[in-house]
Amino acid sequence: DVKVTQSSRYLVKRTGEKVFLECVQDMDHENMFWYRQDPGLGLRLIYFSYDVKMKEKGDIPEGYSVSREKKERFSLILESASTNQTSMYLCASSLGGNNSPLHFGNGTRLTVT
Amino acid sequence: AQRVTQPEKLLSVFKGAPVELKCNYSYSGSPELFWYVQYSRQRLQLLLRHISRESIKGFTADLNKGETSFHLKKPFAQEEDSAMYYCGGGSYIPTFGRGTSLIVHP
Repeated sequence: DVKVTQSSRYLVKRTGEKVFLECVQDMDHENMFWYRQDPGLGLRLIYFSYDVKMKEKGDIPEGYSVSREKKERFSLILESASTNQTSMYLCASSLGGNNSPLHFGNGTRLTVT
Repeated sequence: AQRVTQPEKLLSVFKGAPVELKCNYSYSGSPELFWYVQYSRQRLQLLLRHISRESIKGFTADLNKGETSFHLKKPFAQEEDSAMYYCGGGSYIPTFGRGTSLIVHP
């Protein structure tokens, strides 16, 4: 069974801090994704990656960056956290190819004060 | 571009009643559609995929290309079905509807 692990379940940070959210998957999946989940807005794609050192912007990349130095790890970086980035962040991975479902982590609840 | 729409934010039913969670899509090619479920305090997980044509936990979903729909159905809802349901599409750039919260009352 695929396991996607997000390093923190809850985080509280101050405005202006640099924040790192880490995600690791153990099934050699090609694709990895970062979403934020907000009530009434569903899941919105921030960034995704199809290979090591590759990244592409999703629908809401502003204020975020990502890093994928190893296949199993995909990091989301908030360069300067702001209160409107308070949200639930979900990491997901997929095998790639047609009809590949996503496997999600437990999520990181980030609060920026 | 792929787009997935879930028109209902909330669906409230009583135990034993039929359930239909709506999902509509717009696709430029062949659709790839999934239903995901998130139970309270659990991770989001795959429930159904359209290519499988299977029934999971009593739920089924049929792809209707004429109506561009992929509605999720269950004939008799159970309290344990209460959860957040997301319709998602695409494996290249997976996109999601806004989600429907299903509440099944005893």
